[in-house]
Amino acid sequence: QLQLQESGPGLLKPSQTLSLTCSVSGGSITNTNYYWGWIRQPPGRGLEWIGGINYSGTTYYNPSLKSEVTISMDASKRQFSLRMTSVTAADTAVYYCARHSYYYDNSGDYYYFDYWGQGTLVTVSS
Amino acid sequence: QSALTQPPSASASLGQSVTISCTGTVSNVGAYNYVSWYQQRPGKGPKLMIYDVNKRPSGVPDRFSGSKSGNTASLTVSGLQAEDEGDYYCNSYAGGNNWVFGGGTKLTVL
Repeated sequence: QLQLQESGPGLLKPSQTLSLTCSVSGGSITNTNYYWGWIRQPPGRGLEWIGGINYSGTTYYNPSLKSEVTISMDASKRQFSLRMTSVTAADTAVYYCARHSYYYDNSGDYYYFDYWGQGTLVTVSS
Repeated sequence: QSALTQPPSASASLGQSVTISCTGTVSNVGAYNYVSWYQQRPGKGPKLMIYDVNKRPSGVPDRFSGSKSGNTASLTVSGLQAEDEGDYYCNSYAGGNNWVFGGGTKLTVL
């Protein structure tokens, strides 16, 4: 069973850089049918897609966050990471990592987030 | 403000049916059949319930079904059970490798 686990600092000050890592176990991270993504959820609010990366190194980002966000992968460690610069209080959220199925074949289309981590709370406060 | 609009809450009695709507635009829900639905219980990560508008992953009860008409997608839960309580989120492809979520609907089983 594929498992994802987020890790990283839980408290940041405004203007600092957020760095989170997602560790993947129980399955491969190298299949290019999948992207490995980040989604966040501000307290009491809905989900917001941040972006993702696949094994080929191709990335995609939410246009509204693109200038502050970088997603990278270290396949040898089965990890992928999120870096967000110049955080503000508005970036306070639970951050989830997830596998994003992203392919089609003769049997159909497969576009969905099928495995999620438990989430990690990041608070931005002075 | 989420890109997709969902009602904040929905409720129905045990054993009854409930439908949750997800309204987008011609640029997302109306343009693509890549709508998925997720159930989130308190303190947990979301769980995939429906993908490609109306397909159920293995292990999801057939009480859960999805549909789409124009710019609005819907999730219907039939024969409601207590464990169906939670928050439900829709997600849609919006073109250009861009994905958008709804604001979520809190489902209460009475």
